[in-house]
This record gives sequence, C-alpha cells and structure tokens, in this order.
Amino acid sequence: GAVVSQHPSWVICKSGTSVKIECRSLDFQATTMFWYRQFPKQSLMLMATSNEGSKATYEQGVEKDKFLINHASLTLSTLTVTSAHPEDSSFYICSASLAGGDTGELFFGEGSRLTVL
Amino acid sequence: GQSLEQPSEVTAVEGAIVQINCTYQTSGFYGLSWYQQHDGGAPTFLSYNALDGLEETGRFSSFLSRSDSYGYLLLQELQMKDSASYFCAVRDWGNFNKFYFGSGTKLNVKP
Repeated sequence: GAVVSQHPSWVICKSGTSVKIECRSLDFQATTMFWYRQFPKQSLMLMATSNEGSKATYEQGVEKDKFLINHASLTLSTLTVTSAHPEDSSFYICSASLAGGDTGELFFGEGSRLTVL
Repeated sequence: GQSLEQPSEVTAVEGAIVQINCTYQTSGFYGLSWYQQHDGGAPTFLSYNALDGLEETGRFSSFLSRSDSYGYLLLQELQMKDSASYFCAVRDWGNFNKFYFGSGTKLNVKP
C-alpha cells in the first residue's frame, strides 16, 4: 500500500502563534490530498482539498485564512494553523489516494495532535 | 450535502458476530468505504462497496444496498483487538477521491 507521513505528531504552542503541519506521500505522487480535523470521540471532518499547483478547496464553514494550505509539490502538502487559539486544539490528519485507483481506499498520515495553550 | 448515520456504540463478546449499520443521504453516490480507528491512531481501510451486495475480506464483510441508501460492516469471530471506532465514508460525487465520514461507532469487545 501507499505510505503517507505526517509531521509533527504532537505540537504544543502558545495562543497567537502559527503552526505548520506537513503531509508527505512517500512512495507515490499525490496531485490531491485531503485534510481532516477530528475532535475527541467524534468523526473526521473534512476541512479542505489540497490541490497540487493550485488553490485549496475549502469545505463550507472552514476559514481559509485560518487554515492555510499549500501543495507545492506532488508529494507534499502543508497545513498552517494561523494565530492559533485554544479552540483550534484538535487532531489534524491528512490523506491521499492513488491516482486511477478504484479501491475506495484513502491512505492516512499518522495525524498531528495540536494543543494550543 | 452529505449525511451519514451510525450507532454511537456497540458492545459484544469475544467470538461473537457484530453488525454496524450505516445509512446515508448524499447528493450523488459512488461508493461506501469502511475504516477502523484505534484511539489516538490513524484510520485504516477495511472495505469498499461500489455495487450492491456483499464484499468479504477475511473476518470483515461489508454490504451495500444503493436503493435503500444503506450499508453495514459485519465483523465475525470478534477479538479483543477489534475494540475500536468504525467509520463509514461516502465517496463524493464531484471529486472521486474525496470522502465524507459518518459519525463513527465505538465497538467494545468484552471477554
């Protein structure tokens, strides 16, 4: 299967600072990646679609200025939480799928747990 | 938009069979996937149905009825390690690789 790596796994920051999370596809090229957010004991909420070489597509209700997404290469997408506040504390997880595949499978990174103090 | 409903929690004993249901409402439908997630971990893929019927993968099977907008995940010969959350996810009509997830079902397996 395809491998997606996410970094950092854990991050603690002060309120008002910005945090960058990286998502890499290690053994395949991903023109599209997806960012999800998950609160404790809740579902994975799709935040945005990261498109290589173009602007990200955000889901309704997600602040694009708060959650900056950059997909500069076929193997790397980054999510920057700008001016983080305690309510941004959550588990952020990225995913990608194999181009042309029809297995219905998403490959997920390990996730990044953000705690804003 | 998309709406997926699952039971919030299910409890079963080791060796038993358990079925986790998922009903969905979507503007378009390509297929339904199932994922397992242990606490603190990433979701892992279990099964996918694009057509009506049963897909079997070892101890796990998944069923889909497109006319009923309904699917289920069947876990057989339950083991303690199967204690986890299980999510159904629908494939987006506009973007083939985009999935929306259900609310999740917490499965508790007891000895």
